[in-house]
Amino acid sequence: NAGVTQTPKFQVLKTGQSMTLQCAQDMNHNSMYWYRQDPGMGLRLIYYSASEGTTDKGEVPNGYNVSRLNKREFSLRLESAAPSQTSVYFCASRDGSNPNQPQHFGDGTRLSIL
Amino acid sequence: GNSVTQMEGPVTLSEEAFLTINCTYTATGYPSLFWYVQYPGEGLQLLLKATKADDKGSNKGFEATYRKETTSFHLEKGSVQVSDSAVYFCALSGPTGGFKTIFGAGTRLFVKA
Repeated sequence: NAGVTQTPKFQVLKTGQSMTLQCAQDMNHNSMYWYRQDPGMGLRLIYYSASEGTTDKGEVPNGYNVSRLNKREFSLRLESAAPSQTSVYFCASRDGSNPNQPQHFGDGTRLSIL
Repeated sequence: GNSVTQMEGPVTLSEEAFLTINCTYTATGYPSLFWYVQYPGEGLQLLLKATKADDKGSNKGFEATYRKETTSFHLEKGSVQVSDSAVYFCALSGPTGGFKTIFGAGTRLFVKA
């Protein structure tokens, strides 16, 4: 079972460069999420997509954009990377119609911006 | 709004010691409660859950009981192993939080041989 797949696993960028983090899930989940994890800060929600065709801002959306390409895929784009965006990024998915269901996480993308 | 507070770490224990990680929550209505575990270099994975008051979730020797009267969901294990070293997150979802899950800040556990 693949679950939630994130690519790439590691990336180094220079300030001002752009890139897209990819996420795909094979569990037929309707809701998908992007988080960042920084030391001592826990998980912070960047954007989420409750269902295909919708996206909403989370706690820390500035500097990011997202696209819910289809039910399986939810990408996160950094248009002009800044050192403050150095972090570990996690994608997650869930059966959003049932709050009893847990989120399923990918293994993360470790992003460094110089 | 909904929130989760868990004890700060790190927590350092010797192998076979008893573990408690405290978690309390604030929520409207009756949320579902979760414990997730994150091993080094990996994403979070579900450890256990409870969906209504007095439910006990259990998995891999870990247990937590949904206490509505104290709004708590403390994680316990009777005898920890070195392989339990990880970061543990308490979380809640629904019914008024929409599609989002609220996570605690995480508690890092170190178990020494």
